[in-house]
Amino acid sequence: QVQLQESGPGLVKPSQTLSLTCTVSGGSISSGDYYWSWIRQPPGKGLEWIGYIYYSGSTYYNPSLKSRVTISVDTSKNQFSLKLSSVTAADTAVYYCARANSGFGELAFYVDPWGQGTLVTVSS
Amino acid sequence: SSELTQDPAVSVALGQTVRITCQGDSLRSYYASWYQQKPGQAPVLVIYGKNNRPSGIPDRFSGSSSGNTASLTITGAQAEDEADYYCNSRDSSGNQVFGGGTKLTVL
Repeated sequence: QVQLQESGPGLVKPSQTLSLTCTVSGGSISSGDYYWSWIRQPPGKGLEWIGYIYYSGSTYYNPSLKSRVTISVDTSKNQFSLKLSSVTAADTAVYYCARANSGFGELAFYVDPWGQGTLVTVSS
Repeated sequence: SSELTQDPAVSVALGQTVRITCQGDSLRSYYASWYQQKPGQAPVLVIYGKNNRPSGIPDRFSGSSSGNTASLTITGAQAEDEADYYCNSRDSSGNQVFGGGTKLTVL
């Protein structure tokens, strides 16, 4: 059973770059037709897509974050990573890594499983 | 960009049936997926595709869709179903979006 675990600094200063890594266990990140995803949730608010990297290497980024986001994969370590530049207090959130899949002729897109999430606070 | 609209809060009496809805133009073409999130926990997938439940999700959870509205129905709501529920879908441009979430209270 695939499990995901986020890691990285819990505190980032404004204007700096937020960097998180997701370690995948119980399965290979390079096998299968999956979208390795990052999703965030500000305290007390709803879920927001950041983006994903497809097993082929192609990426999708939320248009509202696209200029600041990079998602990459390290297959040798079975990890994928998120970098979000020029952070502000508005980027304070719980960051989740997750595996997504499409089906039904790509009419469906669903996220399962999720990591436990990691809180990142942007503050000086 | 696409947008999915959910009622902020819904309540249901213990053992009764509740429907949580999600509205958006993209739902005319794409299926919604539904997630349950309890306080302090990561979301859990409960419904995907036309009406599919992952292993371990009780069969009291079901999904349906009509026009621009997707629905999550809980038949015989239990106390442990009290949670936030989010829908998600994609649009024709490949953009992914979550609904704003519905807080379900079981009375």
